[in-house]
Amino acid sequence: EVQLVESGGGLVQPGRSLKLSCAASGFTFSNYYMAWVRQAPKKGLEWVATISTSGSRTYYPDSVKGRFTISRDNAKSSLYLQMNSLKSEDTATYYCARPGATVVTFAYWGQGTLVTVSS
Amino acid sequence: DIVMTQSPTSMSISVGDRVTMNCKASQNVGSNVDWYQQKTGQSPKLLIYKASNRYTGVPDRFTGSGSGTDFTFTISNMQAEDLAVYYCMQSNSYPPTFGGGTKLELK
Repeated sequence: EVQLVESGGGLVQPGRSLKLSCAASGFTFSNYYMAWVRQAPKKGLEWVATISTSGSRTYYPDSVKGRFTISRDNAKSSLYLQMNSLKSEDTATYYCARPGATVVTFAYWGQGTLVTVSS
Repeated sequence: DIVMTQSPTSMSISVGDRVTMNCKASQNVGSNVDWYQQKTGQSPKLLIYKASNRYTGVPDRFTGSGSGTDFTFTISNMQAEDLAVYYCMQSNSYPPTFGGGTKLELK
């Protein structure tokens, strides 16, 4: 069974940093692109980052480019999101997601970890 | 970025109803639209990929159609367990973008 378990969320002040982790199991992690998707409280979904199987290619929307870094450790079946220069608008539940039918389609989701950016 | 516009934003429905919602892309995305269901307090769940393909284990009362810029998602026989917010997403090009969602509520 595919499992994705996020951790690392919490309360952080504006301008500070936070690193999220996602522990994957139930599949061969190194065979799949992986992604982060977020959802602000009572709002819709926003794609945050995608990383290729080897980690050599990464993709970001303009809203986080230059501030967030996605990475992975295939030996540990783990995905990470380093978030720097956090803003209040980054407050959201962050989901780890794995593609399924296509590289971009998100077939599996974790339970999410809440990041609150506030002073 | 491609903008995905969903309509309506909410619907009041009854069990047994046929429910149809729409998603319009700001430019041609081919058949690269997925539909997700998110129940209150839960993570999203993939229902339909590439416009009309039901994902593994998804009941056949859920169907999707469309191509280009106009897409439709239908629940043929609404069940109480289908109460949720439904999102479309274009997976044609980066950045993948979601619609604002359609919320289904009981009448």
